[in-house]
Amino acid sequence: QLQLQESGPGLVKPSETLSLTCTVSGGSISSSSYYWGWIRQPPGKGLEWIGSIYYSGNTYYNASLKSRVTISVDTSKNQFSLKLSSVTAADTAVYYCARTPPGDYHFDYWGQGTLLTVSS
Amino acid sequence: DIQMTQSPSTLSASVGDRVTITCRASQSIGSWLAWYQQKPGKAPKLLIYKASSLESGVPSRFSGSGSGTEFTLTISSLQPDDLATYYCQQYNSYWTFGQGTKVEI
Repeated sequence: QLQLQESGPGLVKPSETLSLTCTVSGGSISSSSYYWGWIRQPPGKGLEWIGSIYYSGNTYYNASLKSRVTISVDTSKNQFSLKLSSVTAADTAVYYCARTPPGDYHFDYWGQGTLLTVSS
Repeated sequence: DIQMTQSPSTLSASVGDRVTITCRASQSIGSWLAWYQQKPGKAPKLLIYKASSLESGVPSRFSGSGSGTEFTLTISSLQPDDLATYYCQQYNSYWTFGQGTKVEI
């Protein structure tokens, strides 16, 4: 059974760079044609897609966050990562990682989510 | 960017009721639409993909329909376990979620 697990610092100061990692178990992150994505949810609010990375390394970002987002993949560790620069309180959210299957680009497997708070 | 609008934002219903949630896209997305259920403190769970395909293991009381710009999620007989917020998501062009519909029982 595929499992995704987010990890990160929990607390980041304003203007710093947020770094989160998603570890995939029960399957290979380099399996053909999968996308791996990040989605966030501010407290009490809805879901926002941040960006996705194809197994080959191609990246796709939400236009509203593109200037601050970098997603990368480390196949040796079966992980993919999110970096979000110049964070503010508005970036406080639960961050989820998720998988997109080939041919039908919904999100079928999700991590449990990790709360990241931006505060001095 | 494609915008997704759900209605209603909140829905109150009784056990056994037939419940329908609507999702409208700002432009045609074909059938590239998914529905998710999210319970408090939990990650979203996939219910429906490609507008009407039921994800494995999801109860058959859930169904989806529509194409183009208008879609619906129907719960044929509401159960206490269905208390949750439901989100639609388009994946015709990148990924966009609706704002959610909270179902209260």
